[in-house]
Amino acid sequence: QSVLTQPPSASGTPGQRVAVSCSGTSSNIGSNSVTWYQQLPGTAPKLLIYNTVQRPSGVPDRFSGSNSGTSASLAISGLQSEDEAHYYCAAWDDSLNGVVFGGGTKLTVL
Amino acid sequence: EVELVESGGGLVQPGGSLILSCVVSGPSFSASAIHWVRQAPGKGLEWIGRIRSKGNNYATVYAASVRGRFTISRDDSQNTAFVEMNSLKTEDTAMYYCTRPGRGCRTTSCFDPWGQGTLVTVSS
Repeated sequence: QSVLTQPPSASGTPGQRVAVSCSGTSSNIGSNSVTWYQQLPGTAPKLLIYNTVQRPSGVPDRFSGSNSGTSASLAISGLQSEDEAHYYCAAWDDSLNGVVFGGGTKLTVL
Repeated sequence: EVELVESGGGLVQPGGSLILSCVVSGPSFSASAIHWVRQAPGKGLEWIGRIRSKGNNYATVYAASVRGRFTISRDDSQNTAFVEMNSLKTEDTAMYYCTRPGRGCRTTSCFDPWGQGTLVTVSS
């Protein structure tokens, strides 16, 4: 059971906009920035969104992050086939004194 | 450009020990914290701990699942970090990644880049 809660799956058709949610508590998302990772099959995770809303250089602006209280969201607009991957949210947890991850969301492009 | 390369994984019996290494190329190794994250087969990511820099007294912190069994250390002269794993259990079977804080990150959950991982299998 992960500390941060994500839906196990999401899907969309090419060109659509999809959102992946990440629910936490006041000790993690409620008080610390959220990070999102993309993991393609057989590869290491890749930093996608940091400081809740910022994108590293090279990440398309189709990807965006937001938060509200103890929840965060990753939005992907103009969905493309290469976006098919697992997506994980993460945050520091002040109570656990460690980094916590969501269980991951498998995004399927139909 | 920073690159991290893990090694040392393999098959070990329950109750056994293993030491993983993470060699970091590129600038600022000694000033950077190093984190370890694992991923059991077909499962999600689990942070297991980190070691800070000499300037931060090499402070370590661990996830509850490995505390008391795993020890993270570093050798700044070799640009290498280690995780010594003792009393291994079958549930420790996973791909183990090392990583470090990304540029511009203001939070401890922000890691970039990651190594390619090294696989640890705990089985009799």
